[in-house]
Amino acid sequence: NAGVTQTPKFRILKIGQSMTLQCTQDMNHNYMYWYRQDPGMGLKLIYYSVGAGITDKGEVPNGYNVSRSTTEDFPLRLELAAPSQTSVYFCASSYSSPMSNEKLFFGSGTQLSVL
Amino acid sequence: DQQVKQNSPSLSVQEGRISILNCDYTNSMFDYFLWYKKYPAEGPTFLISISSIKDKNEDGRFTVFLNKSAKHLSLHIVPSQPGDSAVYFCAAPNQAGTALIFGKGTTLSVSS
Repeated sequence: NAGVTQTPKFRILKIGQSMTLQCTQDMNHNYMYWYRQDPGMGLKLIYYSVGAGITDKGEVPNGYNVSRSTTEDFPLRLELAAPSQTSVYFCASSYSSPMSNEKLFFGSGTQLSVL
Repeated sequence: DQQVKQNSPSLSVQEGRISILNCDYTNSMFDYFLWYKKYPAEGPTFLISISSIKDKNEDGRFTVFLNKSAKHLSLHIVPSQPGDSAVYFCAAPNQAGTALIFGKGTTLSVSS
C-alpha cells in the first residue's frame, strides 16, 4: 500500500521562485492536511481540506496556496519563495475528523531550502 | 488557547529501563490525545491515543496516562529499546475538530 506519497523529497529554491509540492493518497480519505516542521518546533498546520473542492487555512497559511480538485490529490503551492519557508513539509490524510480519534497518516516529507 | 506543550526537548535512557515522556495542555475541552513517533527522514506515525474519559490506555510496551485535573499526560515505554530512539509528539484535535495540533516533540535516545 502506497498510503500518502509526497514529491519531491528534496528541493532547493532561489528567493522569489515558485513551486508546487505534490501530495496524493490512495486510501480514499476525505481529510487532507499540510504541515510544516521547523527545527525544534512541532508541526504547524498550513492548510487543510475536508473534501474535494473544500479547503481552509490553518495556523500558518501566508505565502502558500492549495487546491483540492480530487479526493486523492492535495498540492501545496509556494509563490515567491522566501528564506522563512525553508522547512520540512508533511502532507497527511485521515478518513474523517480528528475529533473522532481518527488517526492521521503522514507522507515522508519534503525538505525545502530557499536560498 | 489551544496549546499542547512538551517542555523537555530530549531524554536519554538506558536499554531496558523505563522512558517517561511528558505533555501538558491548556484546553480542558480536548476529547482525545495522541502520541506520534517520528524517525529521521520519515513522516510521523501514530503510536497510541487516549480518550479524555479514561485515565490510562495500554498497548504492549506503551502506556499513556492522563491526569485531567493537572492537564497532564505522559507516555511510558517499558522496557525501552534502542529502536525506540525517535522524536515523540503529543497531539490533540483543535477546537474546531478539523486538524491536530502538535507539541514541539521530545527526542528520545535509548542507549544499549
